Amino acid sequence: AQKVTQAQTEISVVEKEDVTLDCVYETRDTTYYLFWYKQPPSGELVFLIRRNSFDEQNEISGRYSWNFQKSTSSFNFTITASQVVDSAVYFCALRGIIQGAQKLVFGQGTRLTINP
Amino acid sequence: GAVVSQHPSWVICKSGTSVKIECRSLDFQATTMFWYRQFPKQSLMLMATSNEGSKATYEQGVEKDKFLINHASLTLSTLTVTSAHPEDSSFYICSASDRWGKTDTQYFGPGTRLTVL
Repeated sequence: AQKVTQAQTEISVVEKEDVTLDCVYETRDTTYYLFWYKQPPSGELVFLIRRNSFDEQNEISGRYSWNFQKSTSSFNFTITASQVVDSAVYFCALRGIIQGAQKLVFGQGTRLTINP
Repeated sequence: GAVVSQHPSWVICKSGTSVKIECRSLDFQATTMFWYRQFPKQSLMLMATSNEGSKATYEQGVEKDKFLINHASLTLSTLTVTSAHPEDSSFYICSASDRWGKTDTQYFGPGTRLTVL
């Protein structure tokens, strides 16, 4: 079975601090995709990144960076110099190729609050 | 690109009535659309997967007669909550992936908040 665990239910930091959101996954598929989505208070899920299982290169996009480590089945997300607009619920998700076809398995989400 | 819309964004209805929610992919053809339900402060729960021109595949525990899904074209899927009751009140979100899922990414609509009185 596929599973995504986001152990941090809520995180609260002061603006400009760096913050890392953890994501650990389980799958028997050898090929799979990992995703991060942001859900601001408006409710719409915003796609942030997709990572293939065979590409372990870390990625940086502005203040966002992602660390994919297959050995520990983790796909962590770091926001550098956080801003109030980063406040949202962040979901990590997994999509296997064989098991569940196109289904996305979501973690429980981490509610991030950036205080001014 | 990859914009998905939902209509209505919110709806309030009386118990026993049916409510239809539309999900449209605006700038791409979506062979597959997904319907999720989200309760407050919880994660998304997949209700069903809908492929264009075929019957939807429902997740275990989701009543197919209660939640009717139609995916009649490559840009439109509808979810009808039949004989809605207060326990059906929730945030319903659709997502779509492009033709044959080549992007392997689901793009989400803004969601529809349903309140059943």
